[in-house]
Amino acid sequence: DAGVIQSPRHEVTEMGQEVTLRCKPISGHDYLFWYRQTMMRGLELLIYFNNNVPIDDSGMPEDRFSAKMPNASFSTLKIQPSEPRDSAVYFCASSFGLAGMNTGELFFGEGSRLTVL
Amino acid sequence: GESVGLHLPTLSVQEGDNSIINCAYSNSASDYFIWYKQESGKGPQFIIDIRSNMDKRQGQRVTVLLNKTVKHLSLQIAATQPGDSAVYFCAENEEYGNKLVFGAGTILRVKS
Repeated sequence: DAGVIQSPRHEVTEMGQEVTLRCKPISGHDYLFWYRQTMMRGLELLIYFNNNVPIDDSGMPEDRFSAKMPNASFSTLKIQPSEPRDSAVYFCASSFGLAGMNTGELFFGEGSRLTVL
Repeated sequence: GESVGLHLPTLSVQEGDNSIINCAYSNSASDYFIWYKQESGKGPQFIIDIRSNMDKRQGQRVTVLLNKTVKHLSLQIAATQPGDSAVYFCAENEEYGNKLVFGAGTILRVKS
């Protein structure tokens, strides 16, 4: 299995530009999570989906952030317009069932490092 | 003003020694705990978990201890190897909750 695949691995953009991060979860997993990691705040859950439906987006920082999951094999996290404080590593993770919460089997991608100038 | 980042505690150990990484959690309702390892440039990776009805669980070279009285979790790594160098996170999940809350992390450096 290829694991959780994220793209791009690195992105540098200018303030005000739109950023789209992509994620392909592990095949068969029905939960997908987006996390953000910064030195300031550590690892934070932004939003998660179950069977392509957003369940909890309370971690999304503001309306500039949006996430979609059009099908079981693809999700996007979009920031529009981007700001320097959005600079972080964004991780996508997936799990089978709420196993990701209760058994620890939450599989992370390698992350997308975003720098907003 | 300048932003202040998290100052992660660092544990330096000699190769072959045992390592103990500690974590204090805040939510007394948390009933499930996980340790993750994050190597440079990679996502966190599951190491071991424990439920609140246990106080100890062992894996391969790793042991997790849970003290609910003082809300403390520890990860013990036996015969630490250079490949163990990473940032280690504890995470907690509240019963019937749906969010894993991650701690700030501890840097483990293994000296050869």
